Amino acid sequence: GAGVSQTPSNKVTEKGKYVELRCDPISGHTALYWYRQSLGQGPEFLIYFQGTGAADDSGLPNDRFFAVRPEGSVSTLKIQRTERGDSAVYLCASSQSPSAEAFFGQGTRLTVV
Amino acid sequence: AQSVSQHNHHVILSEAASLELGCNYSYGGTVNLFWYVQYPGQHLQLLLKYFSGDPLVKGIKGFEAEFIKSKFSFNLRKPSVQWSDTAEYFCAVKAGGAGGTSYGKLTFGQGTILTVHP
Repeated sequence: GAGVSQTPSNKVTEKGKYVELRCDPISGHTALYWYRQSLGQGPEFLIYFQGTGAADDSGLPNDRFFAVRPEGSVSTLKIQRTERGDSAVYLCASSQSPSAEAFFGQGTRLTVV
Repeated sequence: AQSVSQHNHHVILSEAASLELGCNYSYGGTVNLFWYVQYPGQHLQLLLKYFSGDPLVKGIKGFEAEFIKSKFSFNLRKPSVQWSDTAEYFCAVKAGGAGGTSYGKLTFGQGTILTVHP
């Protein structure tokens, strides 16, 4: 596609529920990244995929967060037992390689009520 | 681990004023440095990047940045701002490798909101 696509653009969920956030990277981009941006802060790294495998998941805050990229293209970020503190904009980015420029999507705004 | 500090949270300027946004990073090894911009309602976009070579890099829309290794700084400059430069600006660092390679994740600063009055 023309750019990184993230769905949904907005998600409101109740505390304790499970959510999935989807990222469609630019076609052919092997590297994919998830970031989380809270109000007034810069994006905070969560996880990075190179192909199908998670090359670095050191930013995932706890075991409620999990991400997959089974075919090396689309990725899903999964959050179990959501908490109000999970409310943020979740950003996805992709690049042709780890060295290349990362292109960002518009983000998914998650609100946990 | 890398960290990035941006000195100003909010900068307010009039059109035609000169701009300098401060950015300092902390990392012991080779780094690649970036400035991203987020215009209202839009996604993050790359303004410019430094990997190696000339420490003065030029980006889009008349922006430039200078890498000063001894000061661990990568300040963003523009000689004359326009109303359309109103946006949030983020400095970011990535661990660099040999031969211009770099590794994975970006570490961002907290961002600087620039407001330009016409």
